[in-house]
Amino acid sequence: DVKVTQSSRYLVKRTGEKVFLECVQDMDHENMFWYRQDPGLGLRLIYFSYDVKMKEKGDIPEGYSVSREKKERFSLILESASTNQTSMYLCASSFPLRAYYGYTFGSGTRLTVV
Amino acid sequence: QQPVQSPQAVILREGEDAVINCSSSKALYSVHWYRQKHGEAPVFLMILLKGGEQKGHEKISASFNEKKQQSSLYLTASQLSYSGTYFCGTEMGGGGFKTIFGAGTRLFVKA
Repeated sequence: DVKVTQSSRYLVKRTGEKVFLECVQDMDHENMFWYRQDPGLGLRLIYFSYDVKMKEKGDIPEGYSVSREKKERFSLILESASTNQTSMYLCASSFPLRAYYGYTFGSGTRLTVV
Repeated sequence: QQPVQSPQAVILREGEDAVINCSSSKALYSVHWYRQKHGEAPVFLMILLKGGEQKGHEKISASFNEKKQQSSLYLTASQLSYSGTYFCGTEMGGGGFKTIFGAGTRLFVKA
């Protein structure tokens, strides 16, 4: 069964810490995405990547960065975690160009910043 | 830019029908629909690529009115398993491939 795997299901970090969220997909997808999900706001796009070492800003990139050194892995980095970054983070991947087959999502990482 | 979904929430009895709408202020190339159960990842239901296209998935179908920049998801003879949050994702024309999601519609089906 094809999968998008996020390394942690739950994470608690302190304000100011550098936080790494990891995502790995085994479907050979070119496109990978990071969304955050908050009640009443739906899924908001943070960053996406359409190839190794390529990245594009989404709608809410402030306070985040990403890394894609290998095709199957896409990391989200919180440079200095803040309480307003407490959220559910979802990674997704898809085939290139138009997502004809939709996105495959990971199960999410619930991050709490204290 | 975020598409607007309506209603925000709906409660159904098993066997009843529901319609969830998704509207955009910008021209759309495609619309995706996903269902997310509590504590789980969103699951892809279908994508509509052309204006006027309709698709079906079990008893769940959808339409895409390109001119009106909106899509509707139809759930007929709802089952308990249909409970969850439904998201539409919209893709704008003119290149690029990122999908912008609506805030979601919470659907609860009771026996």
